[in-house]
Amino acid sequence: DQQVKQNSPSLSVQEGRISILNCDYTNSMFDYFLWYKKYPAEGPTFLISISSIKDKNEDGRFTVFLNKSAKHLSLHIVPSQPGDSAVYFCAAAETGTASKLTFGTGTRLQVTL
Amino acid sequence: EAGVAQSPRYKIIEKRQSVAFWCNPISGHATLYWYQQILGQGPKLLIQFQNNGVVDDSQLPKDRFSAERLKGVDSTLKIQPAKLEDSAVYLCASSLLAGAVPDTQYFGPGTRLTVL
Repeated sequence: DQQVKQNSPSLSVQEGRISILNCDYTNSMFDYFLWYKKYPAEGPTFLISISSIKDKNEDGRFTVFLNKSAKHLSLHIVPSQPGDSAVYFCAAAETGTASKLTFGTGTRLQVTL
Repeated sequence: EAGVAQSPRYKIIEKRQSVAFWCNPISGHATLYWYQQILGQGPKLLIQFQNNGVVDDSQLPKDRFSAERLKGVDSTLKIQPAKLEDSAVYLCASSLLAGAVPDTQYFGPGTRLTVL
């Protein structure tokens, strides 16, 4: 049972444009969400997070939006840069077990020149 | 600040053999995690330690996998005997805080295991 889903395995975006990565979840107990970025042969690196008490969190070029009613979150990268090319994982956790993360399958982002 | 260290980076073994992975977390981090990432999937938590005690090992196949965290610092994950389906990247992560609060997990580079 895949509780966190990233339905787009890959995405290609031109440099300077917006990248939008999507994530859906099924477990209504999840109330803390994170995005991790992974380069080849490296471990995932934390990018940005959001608590369910918010619907938006920004950090520089990265913004995460949360729609609790739709059980959907998205990561926006503006503007996209070639160095953003990586695999992006969405992860979710429940309050009380917040350190136990459930990951999605990842979306490979390719930013082209 | 040094990151999470893991060794070896790559390991190839035959099925039914045993293998061990080592992890050194970031200094001072209370919580340590082992994840299994099968090709095309996201990381799956195998076991979580808080200091040297196990917090969650519900997804650890205990008939063949074992893990320990001695003195609340380094950790080893062992597979004995290995099966073909154990081929994966094994990731170690650590976080500063102990307990149920949201906290950033820092990942090591992983060990890629191939079972032939």
